[in-house]
Amino acid sequence: GQQLNQSPQSMFIQEGEDVSMNCTSSSIFNTWLWYKQDPGEGPVLLIALYKAGELTSNGRLTAQFGITRKDSFLNISASIPSDVGIYFCAGLNAGGTSYGKLTFGQGTILTVHP
Amino acid sequence: DVKVTQSSRYLVKRTGEKVFLECVQDMDHENMFWYRQDPGLGLRLIYFSYDVKMKEKGDIPEGYSVSREKKERFSLILESASTNQTSMYLCASSPPGQGIANEKLFFGSGTQLSVL
Repeated sequence: GQQLNQSPQSMFIQEGEDVSMNCTSSSIFNTWLWYKQDPGEGPVLLIALYKAGELTSNGRLTAQFGITRKDSFLNISASIPSDVGIYFCAGLNAGGTSYGKLTFGQGTILTVHP
Repeated sequence: DVKVTQSSRYLVKRTGEKVFLECVQDMDHENMFWYRQDPGLGLRLIYFSYDVKMKEKGDIPEGYSVSREKKERFSLILESASTNQTSMYLCASSPPGQGIANEKLFFGSGTQLSVL
């Protein structure tokens, strides 16, 4: 199946720092999404991107749909301790009846030191 | 808010046992999914269902089966558990329709299964 390569695998940062992570694919996606998983919980959708080149913000989070449609980026500004968790990118080709069958990246584990 | 409830937070089973993982959602969603989460591998789709009694294989269906007898309930079955099925299992649901609506999965909190 399709593969998503997410990097970095883990990050250890100080509170207040900015964070960048990205996701690349060998094939094109029509939709990119970013999910966050808090410790002990299931992933929750943060941002959805539907058009190549699209830049979308959600509070301190900003995500971009790469112009080639093969990558996406997530930035977190001024990190706080509650940003801790695992961040997953996911891609979807919504051709026909997709039923939301996403391909997920391996995840980026974010640790924020106070 | 959508609530997806998985029956057990932790399970410990022995090799060869038949294991049932239960998932219930309360938002009348048509689509339901089972993923497994392993460190360094992300989330991998095992099976999904887009209607009662309907099921489709995901990327890693081997060793698993599913049951969807009622719209709100989706069960994952390990017919004969093996140690390589030790993992975190996540259930998810999403509303019907094509394209935009389906991407927004709502996940349960997960079941950590250990097979000894």
